[in-house]
Amino acid sequence: QVQLVQSGAEVKKPGASVRISCKASGYTFTSYYVHWVRQAPGQGLQWMAIIDPTGVVTKFAEKFGGRVSMTSDTSTGTVYMELSTLTSDDTAVYYCARETPHTFFFDSWGQGTLVTVSS
Amino acid sequence: QSAPTQPASVSGSPGQSITISCTGTSSDVGRSDHVFWYQHHPGKTPKLIIFDVNNRPSGISNRFSGSKSGNTASLTISGLQAEDEADYYCTSYTSWNTYVFGTGTKVTVL
Repeated sequence: QVQLVQSGAEVKKPGASVRISCKASGYTFTSYYVHWVRQAPGQGLQWMAIIDPTGVVTKFAEKFGGRVSMTSDTSTGTVYMELSTLTSDDTAVYYCARETPHTFFFDSWGQGTLVTVSS
Repeated sequence: QSAPTQPASVSGSPGQSITISCTGTSSDVGRSDHVFWYQHHPGKTPKLIIFDVNNRPSGISNRFSGSKSGNTASLTISGLQAEDEADYYCTSYTSWNTYVFGTGTKVTVL
């Protein structure tokens, strides 16, 4: 069955970067987009970015001002998201989610990765 | 870009109907029929309950229905049940080829 398995929780200091992985299985990796969505404590869901696993298409929410980068390893079926220059406001659960191209919705989600930014 | 606005909370008694609004702009909610609703129970992953304004994925109860008028989309839950207590988010595709979630609504079953 379709699975997205994310890397484990991270604790980072302000100013550092964090890299989260999302390993896909149970489907053809290159045929689906992968998104990143986060939820800060007590806050709502926030869309961050999308990547076409072939690397052709990427798009980011303006809010992140270039702090987000993504890469895709088609040999392992894994997408990586890196968020740089972390602040306490980046403390959140980060989810990856799959989209069938051009459907504009997320039909499968990773389990979430808690990132805590604290000095 | 601002998030579409949803009421922070909505409550109802079992068996009642409630409606959650999602008010955006002509650049997101009002732009197309690409408006979706997710149910999110704390500690779980979000679940798609409505796609393309008013369509239900397979396995989703027909107690959930969606609609849209102009820049405002709505989710109605009829025959409210205890298991419906969750957070609900609208989302849409935008003019900038990005995606945006609404501010979220906490549904409480009294």
